[in-house]
Amino acid sequence: EDQVTQSPEALRLQEGESSSLNCSYTVSGLRGLFWYRQDPGKGPEFLFTLYSAGEEKEKERLKATLTKKESFLHITAPKPEDSATYLCAVQQLKDTGNQFYFGTGTSLTVIP
Amino acid sequence: DTAVSQTPKYLVTQMGNDKSIKCEQNLGHDTMYWYKQDSKKFLKIMFSYNNKELIINETVPNRFSPKSPDKAHLNLHINSLELGDSAVYFCASSLRGVNTEAFFGQGTRLTVV
Repeated sequence: EDQVTQSPEALRLQEGESSSLNCSYTVSGLRGLFWYRQDPGKGPEFLFTLYSAGEEKEKERLKATLTKKESFLHITAPKPEDSATYLCAVQQLKDTGNQFYFGTGTSLTVIP
Repeated sequence: DTAVSQTPKYLVTQMGNDKSIKCEQNLGHDTMYWYKQDSKKFLKIMFSYNNKELIINETVPNRFSPKSPDKAHLNLHINSLELGDSAVYFCASSLRGVNTEAFFGQGTRLTVV
Protein backbone atom coordinates (compact mmCIF):
# COMPACT_ATOMS: atom_id res chain seq x y z
CA GLU A 1 0.00 0.00 0.00
CA ASP A 2 1.26 3.43 -0.89
CA GLN A 3 2.23 5.39 2.17
CA VAL A 4 3.98 8.57 3.28
CA THR A 5 5.18 8.79 6.89
CA GLN A 6 6.80 11.76 8.59
CA SER A 7 8.75 11.88 11.82
CA PRO A 8 8.91 13.20 14.39
CA GLU A 9 5.33 14.32 14.79
CA ALA A 10 6.47 17.35 16.75
CA LEU A 11 9.86 18.92 17.32
CA ARG A 12 10.92 21.70 19.67
CA LEU A 13 14.27 23.33 19.05
CA GLN A 14 16.17 26.13 20.67
CA GLU A 15 17.05 28.94 18.31
CA GLY A 16 20.27 27.95 16.55
CA GLU A 17 19.87 24.23 17.29
CA SER A 18 20.08 22.37 13.99
CA SER A 19 18.03 19.24 13.30
CA SER A 20 16.41 17.12 10.60
CA LEU A 21 12.88 16.10 9.71
CA ASN A 22 12.23 12.77 8.03
CA CYS A 23 9.79 11.70 5.33
CA SER A 24 9.73 8.05 4.35
CA TYR A 25 7.63 6.72 1.52
CA THR A 26 6.51 3.49 -0.06
CA VAL A 27 4.94 4.72 -3.26
CA SER A 28 5.04 3.08 -6.63
CA GLY A 29 5.57 5.20 -9.69
CA LEU A 30 7.03 8.14 -7.78
CA ARG A 31 7.39 11.20 -9.98
CA GLY A 32 8.49 13.71 -7.38
CA LEU A 33 8.71 14.47 -3.69
CA PHE A 34 7.69 17.86 -2.36
CA TRP A 35 8.20 19.74 0.86
CA TYR A 36 5.66 22.29 1.99
CA ARG A 37 5.45 24.64 4.91
CA GLN A 38 2.09 25.33 6.51
CA ASP A 39 1.48 28.18 8.92
CA PRO A 40 -1.61 28.16 11.15
CA GLY A 41 -4.74 29.15 9.28
CA LYS A 42 -3.06 29.08 5.89
CA GLY A 43 -2.66 26.74 2.97
CA PRO A 44 0.53 24.76 2.39
CA GLU A 45 3.30 26.81 0.81
CA PHE A 46 5.70 25.12 -1.57
CA LEU A 47 9.36 24.81 -0.52
CA PHE A 48 11.17 22.19 -2.62
CA THR A 49 10.78 19.53 -5.27
CA LEU A 50 13.10 16.52 -5.48
CA TYR A 51 12.94 14.11 -8.38
CA SER A 52 15.73 11.58 -8.05
CA ALA A 53 17.81 9.87 -5.37
CA GLY A 54 20.89 11.88 -4.46
CA GLU A 55 19.30 15.19 -5.32
CA GLU A 56 19.62 18.11 -2.88
CA LYS A 57 17.94 21.52 -2.78
CA GLU A 58 18.69 24.47 -0.50
CA LYS A 59 16.83 27.58 0.50
CA GLU A 60 18.12 29.82 3.27
CA ARG A 61 18.36 27.64 6.40
CA LEU A 62 16.64 24.66 4.81
CA LYS A 63 18.13 21.81 2.80
CA ALA A 64 16.17 18.90 1.40
CA THR A 65 17.72 15.60 0.38
CA LEU A 66 16.28 12.48 -1.24
CA THR A 67 17.14 8.79 -1.20
CA LYS A 68 15.22 5.91 -2.74
CA LYS A 69 13.11 5.47 0.35
CA GLU A 70 13.13 8.73 2.26
CA SER A 71 13.74 12.44 2.27
CA PHE A 72 15.22 14.67 4.92
CA LEU A 73 14.61 18.33 5.56
CA HIS A 74 17.61 19.70 7.38
CA ILE A 75 17.20 22.93 9.31
CA THR A 76 20.42 24.73 10.11
CA ALA A 77 20.49 27.28 12.94
CA PRO A 78 16.72 27.72 12.96
CA LYS A 79 15.00 30.94 13.96
CA PRO A 80 11.60 31.40 15.61
CA GLU A 81 10.10 32.35 12.25
CA ASP A 82 10.85 28.84 11.02
CA SER A 83 8.15 27.56 13.38
CA ALA A 84 5.47 25.90 11.27
CA THR A 85 4.21 22.51 10.22
CA TYR A 86 6.33 20.94 7.50
CA LEU A 87 4.55 18.62 5.13
CA CYS A 88 6.00 16.10 2.76
CA ALA A 89 4.08 15.02 -0.34
CA VAL A 90 4.74 12.51 -3.07
CA GLN A 91 3.53 12.73 -6.62
CA GLN A 92 2.37 9.78 -8.62
CA LEU A 93 1.62 9.98 -12.29
CA LYS A 94 -1.39 7.84 -13.02
CA ASP A 95 -3.29 7.33 -16.26
CA THR A 96 -5.61 10.15 -15.38
CA GLY A 97 -3.03 12.64 -14.20
CA ASN A 98 -0.95 13.64 -11.24
CA GLN A 99 -1.91 12.70 -7.72
CA PHE A 100 -0.33 14.20 -4.63
CA TYR A 101 -0.32 12.30 -1.33
CA PHE A 102 0.71 13.96 1.91
CA GLY A 103 2.34 12.78 5.09
CA THR A 104 0.99 13.74 8.49
CA GLY A 105 3.48 16.55 8.95
CA THR A 106 6.03 17.62 11.54
CA SER A 107 5.11 20.52 13.78
CA LEU A 108 8.26 22.52 14.41
CA THR A 109 8.56 25.03 17.23
CA VAL A 110 11.71 27.12 17.51
CA ILE A 111 12.13 28.72 20.91
CA PRO A 112 14.00 32.04 21.15
CA ASP B 1 -2.80 38.44 -7.44
CA THR B 2 -3.99 35.38 -5.59
CA ALA B 3 -3.04 32.21 -7.48
CA VAL B 4 -5.65 29.89 -5.96
CA SER B 5 -8.57 31.49 -4.17
CA GLN B 6 -11.36 29.89 -2.20
CA THR B 7 -14.58 31.28 -0.84
CA PRO B 8 -15.80 31.43 1.79
CA LYS B 9 -12.93 31.30 4.27
CA TYR B 10 -15.25 30.28 7.08
CA LEU B 11 -18.53 28.42 6.85
CA VAL B 12 -20.74 27.52 9.80
CA THR B 13 -23.88 25.57 9.06
CA GLN B 14 -26.35 23.16 10.57
CA MET B 15 -26.51 19.43 10.06
CA GLY B 16 -28.54 18.40 7.07
CA ASN B 17 -27.89 21.56 5.08
CA ASP B 18 -26.39 21.67 1.60
CA LYS B 19 -23.45 23.99 1.01
CA SER B 20 -20.89 24.87 -1.66
CA ILE B 21 -17.30 26.05 -1.58
CA LYS B 22 -15.90 27.84 -4.60
CA CYS B 23 -12.37 27.65 -5.96
CA GLU B 24 -10.68 29.56 -8.74
CA GLN B 25 -7.11 29.46 -10.03
CA ASN B 26 -5.43 31.96 -12.34
CA LEU B 27 -2.27 29.95 -12.97
CA GLY B 28 -3.37 28.34 -16.21
CA HIS B 29 -3.17 24.92 -14.60
CA ASP B 30 -5.21 22.09 -16.04
CA THR B 31 -5.64 19.95 -12.95
CA MET B 32 -7.44 20.97 -9.79
CA TYR B 33 -7.87 19.17 -6.48
CA TRP B 34 -9.85 19.20 -3.31
CA TYR B 35 -8.23 18.15 -0.05
CA LYS B 36 -9.67 17.70 3.41
CA GLN B 37 -7.49 18.50 6.42
CA ASP B 38 -8.74 16.98 9.64
CA SER B 39 -8.13 18.09 13.21
CA LYS B 40 -4.82 16.20 13.23
CA LYS B 41 -3.66 18.28 10.28
CA PHE B 42 -3.62 15.31 7.89
CA LEU B 43 -4.26 16.39 4.29
CA LYS B 44 -6.27 13.79 2.43
CA ILE B 45 -7.06 14.04 -1.25
CA MET B 46 -10.74 13.97 -2.10
CA PHE B 47 -10.87 14.64 -5.82
CA SER B 48 -8.74 15.59 -8.73
CA TYR B 49 -10.22 16.99 -11.91
CA ASN B 50 -8.40 17.22 -15.22
CA ASN B 51 -9.85 18.04 -18.61
CA LYS B 52 -13.25 16.90 -17.46
CA GLU B 53 -11.84 13.68 -16.05
CA LEU B 54 -12.75 13.21 -12.44
CA ILE B 55 -10.81 10.97 -10.12
CA ILE B 56 -12.62 10.25 -6.93
CA ASN B 57 -11.04 8.98 -3.75
CA GLU B 58 -13.17 5.96 -3.03
CA THR B 59 -13.43 6.86 0.64
CA VAL B 60 -15.24 10.12 -0.07
CA PRO B 61 -19.00 9.93 0.57
CA ASN B 62 -21.18 10.57 -2.45
CA ARG B 63 -22.66 13.54 -0.59
CA PHE B 64 -19.57 15.36 -1.84
CA SER B 65 -19.50 16.32 -5.49
CA PRO B 66 -17.09 18.53 -7.41
CA LYS B 67 -18.36 20.67 -10.24
CA SER B 68 -16.15 22.38 -12.79
CA PRO B 69 -17.76 25.02 -14.99
CA ASP B 70 -14.42 25.62 -16.71
CA LYS B 71 -10.74 24.83 -16.41
CA ALA B 72 -10.11 27.60 -13.89
CA HIS B 73 -12.84 26.66 -11.45
CA LEU B 74 -13.59 23.62 -9.32
CA ASN B 75 -16.39 24.01 -6.81
CA LEU B 76 -17.23 21.55 -4.05
CA HIS B 77 -20.84 20.79 -3.24
CA ILE B 78 -21.75 19.01 -0.06
CA ASN B 79 -25.23 17.63 0.55
CA SER B 80 -26.81 16.66 3.86
CA LEU B 81 -23.93 17.91 5.97
CA GLU B 82 -22.87 15.83 8.96
CA LEU B 83 -20.90 16.72 12.09
CA GLY B 84 -17.97 14.67 10.83
CA ASP B 85 -17.68 16.88 7.77
CA SER B 86 -16.25 19.63 9.96
CA ALA B 87 -12.70 20.23 8.73
CA VAL B 88 -10.62 22.59 6.65
CA TYR B 89 -11.04 22.08 2.92
CA PHE B 90 -8.26 23.10 0.57
CA CYS B 91 -8.39 23.60 -3.13
CA ALA B 92 -5.18 23.17 -5.15
CA SER B 93 -4.05 23.15 -8.75
CA SER B 94 -1.14 21.87 -10.79
CA LEU B 95 -0.13 21.05 -14.34
CA ARG B 96 -0.83 17.63 -15.77
CA GLY B 97 2.00 15.49 -17.01
CA VAL B 98 4.65 17.83 -15.71
CA ASN B 99 6.63 17.34 -12.54
CA THR B 100 5.49 20.43 -10.80
CA GLU B 101 4.20 21.37 -7.44
CA ALA B 102 0.60 21.87 -6.45
CA PHE B 103 -0.43 25.35 -5.36
CA PHE B 104 -2.93 25.64 -2.56
CA GLY B 105 -5.65 28.04 -1.63
CA GLN B 106 -6.01 29.46 1.87
CA GLY B 107 -8.58 26.91 2.92
CA THR B 108 -12.21 26.95 3.99
CA ARG B 109 -12.93 26.09 7.59
CA LEU B 110 -16.26 24.27 7.65
CA THR B 111 -18.01 23.83 10.97
CA VAL B 112 -21.16 21.75 11.11
CA VAL B 113 -23.29 22.27 14.21
